[in-house]
Amino acid sequence: GQNIDQPTEMTATEGAIVQINCTYQTSGFNGLFWYQQHAGEAPTFLSYNVLDGLEEKGRFSSFLSRSKGYSYLLLKELQMKDSASYLCAASSNTGGFKTIFGAGTRLFVKA
Amino acid sequence: GAVVSQHPSWVICKSGTSVKIECRSLDFQATTMFWYRQFPKQSLMLMATSNEGSKATYEQGVEKDKFLINHASLTLSTLTVTSAHPEDSSFYICSASLGAEAQYFGPGTRLLVL
Repeated sequence: GQNIDQPTEMTATEGAIVQINCTYQTSGFNGLFWYQQHAGEAPTFLSYNVLDGLEEKGRFSSFLSRSKGYSYLLLKELQMKDSASYLCAASSNTGGFKTIFGAGTRLFVKA
Repeated sequence: GAVVSQHPSWVICKSGTSVKIECRSLDFQATTMFWYRQFPKQSLMLMATSNEGSKATYEQGVEKDKFLINHASLTLSTLTVTSAHPEDSSFYICSASLGAEAQYFGPGTRLLVL
């Protein structure tokens, strides 16, 4: 089956660090995406992990453990503009590539 | 790079009319385009996967006769919502990809059916 779990909401303070976790159960797993979606807008690509480990890209880092079916997105030096939904998505290749999206984690950054 | 456009961004129409939404990849040729629907505070729901020159693959529960998809070229896919009803009001988003790589999303189309 295909299933992705991530927390519904998180709140953090400006300047702090926040970690958004995601667990997945995906047949034909190929890789793990993170997207950012501001209210009323389409998602924008943040990261893509295929191999185990941490990938850092500026203030954002993403981690993957394929054996545990686990990923997290780490946001450092939080800014107010980081308030958005963060979508965890698993890429699957079962008779064609498909991406399965989680419900998203709404992050509220407060001053 | 990897810019995807969608047109129109907003549609308000009467119940029973048909609405066409265009999705274009502006600076790359997309092997695959996807159509999603998103209701408020809910996740993206994949409607169909579209490959250039072939019939779209629809997800379970999505009526292919109601949501017509045409993928005429490597840079253009269209979604036509036929005989739209108020329950079809939603945020429709397309994306384009080059296979296993990231999907690049269009800005979305808000459809309101009165």
